[in-house]
Amino acid sequence: QKEVEQDPGPLSVPEGAIVSLNCTYSNSAFQYFMWYRQYSRKGPELLMYTYSSGNKEDGRFTAQVDKSSKYISLFIRDSQPSDSATYLCAMSAEGGSYIPTFGRGTSLIVHP
Amino acid sequence: GAVVSQHPSRVICKSGTSVKIECRSLDFQATTMFWYRQFPKQSLMLMATSNEGSKATYEQGVEKDKFLINHASLTLSTLTVTSAHPEDSSFYICSARDLGVAGFQETQYFGPGTRLLVL
Repeated sequence: QKEVEQDPGPLSVPEGAIVSLNCTYSNSAFQYFMWYRQYSRKGPELLMYTYSSGNKEDGRFTAQVDKSSKYISLFIRDSQPSDSATYLCAMSAEGGSYIPTFGRGTSLIVHP
Repeated sequence: GAVVSQHPSRVICKSGTSVKIECRSLDFQATTMFWYRQFPKQSLMLMATSNEGSKATYEQGVEKDKFLINHASLTLSTLTVTSAHPEDSSFYICSARDLGVAGFQETQYFGPGTRLLVL
């Protein structure tokens, strides 16, 4: 079992839909959770960064962490075609000297 | 957010030649940078951790004599692929660690990547 599991998709949704992207993990020591967006042939861009459990909202994006279930989610409201990209989750055990473990990414396609 | 640049963005080279890729943090100092490799539709594979002023730490299975890393300053790390072969063709991405305020909320910012094609 990989440390971080993420469905590669693709996930195809109509414009305006609410998108739910998820990752599960096995390492209970993970404390820091990140979501990155990667457009084709580009480097990943940090979207959301959360520590421990709970929710964090930033515009149309909401990150949710459930440590008891070892499950994290990224919700995108009112999805736009420009949101079409690969979304990678990443997590690490500590912030001081961390090297995050990445999921393989979920490909999202938002069609007009 | 912080900006990390990479140069070149793409390079095509002949088999047997060496290729150098630069990674720069533009508006913050990065004592630690990371080098990743990514194959199509795959996740990021960490190759090595580059620490300013000291030797890089390589992940298992990554040949340190083939992938030379130098982190000479707080804003620049270089990856040199020596004697490149077609199987080295990939997307190489660097990232730099921004410690933020007093080490709190440190985050990792990625460069735009370098696409290497070895003929």
